Parts: sequence; structure tokens; C-alpha cells
Amino acid sequence: AQSVAQPEDQVNVAEGNPLTVKCTYSVSGNPYLFWYVQYPNRGLQFLLKYITGDNLVKGSYGFEAEFNKSQTSFHLKKPSALVSDSALYFCAVRDSGRGSTLGRLYFGRGTQLTVWP
Amino acid sequence: EPEVTQTPSHQVTQMGQEVILRCVPISNHLYFYWYRQILGQKVEFLVSFYNNEISEKSEIFDDQFSVERPDGSNFTLKIRSTKLEDSAMYFCASSDAAGGGTGELFFGEGSRLTVL
Repeated sequence: AQSVAQPEDQVNVAEGNPLTVKCTYSVSGNPYLFWYVQYPNRGLQFLLKYITGDNLVKGSYGFEAEFNKSQTSFHLKKPSALVSDSALYFCAVRDSGRGSTLGRLYFGRGTQLTVWP
Repeated sequence: EPEVTQTPSHQVTQMGQEVILRCVPISNHLYFYWYRQILGQKVEFLVSFYNNEISEKSEIFDDQFSVERPDGSNFTLKIRSTKLEDSAMYFCASSDAAGGGTGELFFGEGSRLTVL
């Protein structure tokens, strides 16, 4: 069965420090992996995705994520955090082996990132 | 930038009442979805819709739920007889042709449903 785990409910970092938000996944086929961000009272905004190719993918707002197949992980990273990065971050996976899913994503529970000045 | 819009932003209803949540997907998108997020829980898939029919639905999407694309622009979710446990944020999403595989979904801001 497809699933995503975000082991940390909260991550707190100081502005200017690097940040990592962790994600591990489980799928039966090859994974398509996504990160979304949710600001208060807003919808989910797409940050970045891994489909194939280079394991390090770059996305919006200076975020990047590294796909690690052996560890089944897709951790979100940013070299220097900003206070404005404070939000709820969701990792999601789609199983490429299931052609009928047509966009069905499996989400993690979300990680609340707080960047303090 | 094109966006998915949802109405209402918040609806309060009595248990047993019918509710219709409306969405206007991005205009050139072909795939449409409803997800929901119960407070403090994961975002969960409800249903996907393509070519005027349901492509896939989850176990949550029982006979109380239905979806429709009545006029080529709106995409609606109807809950026939609401229950307390239907209280959640409901997100509409759409994607283009690649959304069936590698493309990302574009989400609306959500409709918060409160069932009393």
C-alpha cells in the first residue's frame, strides 16, 4: 500500500540557518514525489516534485529536495531559512505503477515549520 | 497566474442537510479531484474525475457523495445527507494532461464545512 511518513510534527529553526523537513514513503512501483506548502487559511501550493533523473530537485522559494531510493526518503531542504517560510509542509507520493490513479496522491500528516527571527 | 477557485469558503449546516461545494478548475485542465482534510489529520483523496466520469474514488466516497461537472466550467461535490464526521476542509484540485502521471495538482483554497 502507498503511504507517506513525516516523522516530525514540528520543526523549529532560526532564520538564516539551514532547514530540513523529513519525508519517507512506501509505494509498490516507482514513486512520483511532491512537496506542498500550506499557509494559514490557504490551499496547498506546489513546491517541487521528483519524477525521474537527478536525485536533487529544485523548486520554488529556494527549496530543494533530495530523492534517496535506498532510504525511500525525499527530504525537503533549504540552505537559509526565512521567517516567511513558516508554514505547514506536506509530502505526497503517487505510485507510477498504478496507471489508473490519475493523480491520486497520498499525503503525509504534515510538518509545521516555524522559523524564528 | 491561473488558479482554482472554491465556494463557499465556509459553510455551516445541520446534520442531515444536503451540501454542495463548488469549484472552478483551471480552464485548460482535464483532470479534477476532491480531497478533504479533517482537522489535525492527513489530506485524504476522495475522488478523481476525467472525461465526465469518475476515474477513481476512495472508500470515503460512499453513496452520500456525488460529483458533477454541470456546465463545462464548474465542478461540484454534493453531500446528500451530512454527518458530523463530514466536518472538514474540502479541497478541489485540477491538473493538465500530465496530471494523470507526472504533473502536479493545483489546489484551491478550500471550503470549510462544519456540520452541527
